[in-house]
Amino acid sequence: NAGVTQTPKFQVLKTGQSMTLQCAQDMNHEYMSWYRQDPGMGLRLIHYSVGAGITDQGEVPNGYNVSRSTTEDFPLRLLSAAPSQTSVYFCASRARGLVDEKLFFGSGTQLSVL
Amino acid sequence: AQSVTQPDIHITVSEGASLELRCNYSYGATPYLFWYVQSPGQGLQLLLKYFSGDTLVQGIKGFEAEFKRSQSSFNLRKPSVHWSDAAEYFCAVGASNFGNEKLTFGTGTRLTIIP
Repeated sequence: NAGVTQTPKFQVLKTGQSMTLQCAQDMNHEYMSWYRQDPGMGLRLIHYSVGAGITDQGEVPNGYNVSRSTTEDFPLRLLSAAPSQTSVYFCASRARGLVDEKLFFGSGTQLSVL
Repeated sequence: AQSVTQPDIHITVSEGASLELRCNYSYGATPYLFWYVQSPGQGLQLLLKYFSGDTLVQGIKGFEAEFKRSQSSFNLRKPSVHWSDAAEYFCAVGASNFGNEKLTFGTGTRLTIIP
């Protein structure tokens, strides 16, 4: 199993550009989520999904959009990138929506917005 | 709302020495508690978790953690650290009520091992 796959690993954007961070999992997990990691702030939840067609906001959703059309994929869209969105982004999934399940993380996407 | 505090930003210990990383949580009911580890350039990996029962839980790589309700703490320990334990460690708390799927992470503790 590949687990949780994130692409790209690195990306540089100019302010105002748009892009999509891809996340795919091959474990048939119902729950998928996006976190951003910033120095001194740990991981903060952006958006999450408990199944295809169902998404909800996390702690820091502004500036990001998500959709969940399939169980496998959970892309994160930046419609108009801002320097404040410079961060490392992690996608994570778990088997079910309940929080007691183990989270599986991707290896991250390092995004710089100039 | 749940929250987690990791008071130590950076800890340095000698190889072979014991280790304790502190974690304090805030949650109104019995929480789900986790410790994750992140090696440089990698995603997070689960070390151990606590839901109920025995308050001392064993994890992978020789780590253990103790849940103390009276102190709202879930400290991570290891009797003898190895150079490969150098990483960043995150404590996390989740709600125990169905319908609340969010996991809240602390700000992390970076562990440096000196020979």
